[in-house]
Order: sequence, then C-alpha cells, then structure tokens
Amino acid sequence: QQQVKQSPQSLIVQKGGISIINCAYENTAFDYFPWYQQFPGKGPALLIAIRPDVSEKKEGRFTISFNKSAKQFSLHIMDSQPGDSATYFCAASPRVRVSGTYKYIFGTGTRLKVLA
Amino acid sequence: NAGVTQTPKFRVLKTGQSMTLLCAQDMNHEYMYWYRQDPGMGLRLIHYSVGEGTTAKGEVPDGYNVSRLKKQNFLLGLESAAPSQTSVYFCASSYPRWEGDYEQYFGPGTRLTVT
Repeated sequence: QQQVKQSPQSLIVQKGGISIINCAYENTAFDYFPWYQQFPGKGPALLIAIRPDVSEKKEGRFTISFNKSAKQFSLHIMDSQPGDSATYFCAASPRVRVSGTYKYIFGTGTRLKVLA
Repeated sequence: NAGVTQTPKFRVLKTGQSMTLLCAQDMNHEYMYWYRQDPGMGLRLIHYSVGEGTTAKGEVPDGYNVSRLKKQNFLLGLESAAPSQTSVYFCASSYPRWEGDYEQYFGPGTRLTVT
C-alpha cells in the first residue's frame, strides 16, 4: 500500500533517443510525485516533480506524464544525451493529513546509460 | 551555502564496533532524514526528524539511533555494527510542505563497510 514500483531496473538508450522510466503506486493518498537524479558518487537531486491535479509537466527535455486513474506516472527524457547517464528514482509523498508528516516513498531506481 | 554536508565520507568498521555519522545543513530546514541506499533497494528511510529535539522511526530503524539536539545537525548512530549495515547512507533536509517547498536536499553520502 505504501510501495512505489519502478521499471525498468536498467536502460540503455542511443544518443538522441527517448528514455522512458515508469512508476506505479497503490496508495491513493499520495499527492506529490518527484523524480530524483543521482550521478555516481553523489547524492540524489530533484529533477522534476508533479502534483496529481495535472496530467503532464515539462521542463526542458524532461517530461512527467501522470495517469491518476491508472495510478502510474512516468519520466520521459527527450533527445537523451550521454550526460543524462545516471540513476533515476521516482518517489511519492502522502498527504499530510493521512500520514501526519512529509515523507517520501522511493522507487528502487533505474540506471540509465546513454550511448554516444 | 554548503547545503547538506556529511561526515565522514568513507568508513570501515569491524562487526560490533560503534560509530556516529554526522549530518549538518545550513538552510534552516525543519525536517531532516537519514536514508540508506542498497543495490536494487532504492532509498529506504531509517529515521527522520520534524524539528529540533524530535525524532521518529522510518521504514528500517532497527540497529540505528538518532539525535537532533540542534536544528542544523542530525546524528545517526550505530551502537553495534553488523555486516548487514554495509551501505551508503544519505542525509537529507527539507522545509515543511506548507511553506511551498517540497524538495528534499541530499548530502553527498557516507559509504560504510562493516567487515
């Protein structure tokens, strides 16, 4: 009920291609869905986030698509570049009045490699 | 602004030894978190704090203790280290959500090996 399932575990994409990472959740009390990017040897950093009142959010080459009825959301990286090679984590945060606090539930991560 | 810093960066412990990981943030954040990251497991919350003097258990709290005596510092203690605690530990901090900033800011991590 508190899980966020992320797929695939790893992804290899050619330079210029589209990278797609998917996440699914069960708990309808989640109301904030961020994606974090982590480079080797570094801590995760916020990439882009969405709230369930919109179906899509775009920032540059990065887009989140959100399907509330299916309880799924995905990250699309357009024109993927070798510099995008990193591990990507989706996360979900429950509504405060349900959970009582501001915690993230993270997916298990996707290791993306973009070939030059 | 240093953001979130963690000390030490690396550590090797023998089974049964104890140690404390230090996290410091200079963003005046109320909330602080300790996560562990293991291959294929993502980031799992160990303990968190919603303010100075408060702590609470996360998803995987067993074998760890925490303290938040000052708002800017959050300490993670291992009283008797076990090989299962070999991991990369991340500290993070954030504002409460009602202030409109939902982002958690992460430190660079501490790589701990228990032999």
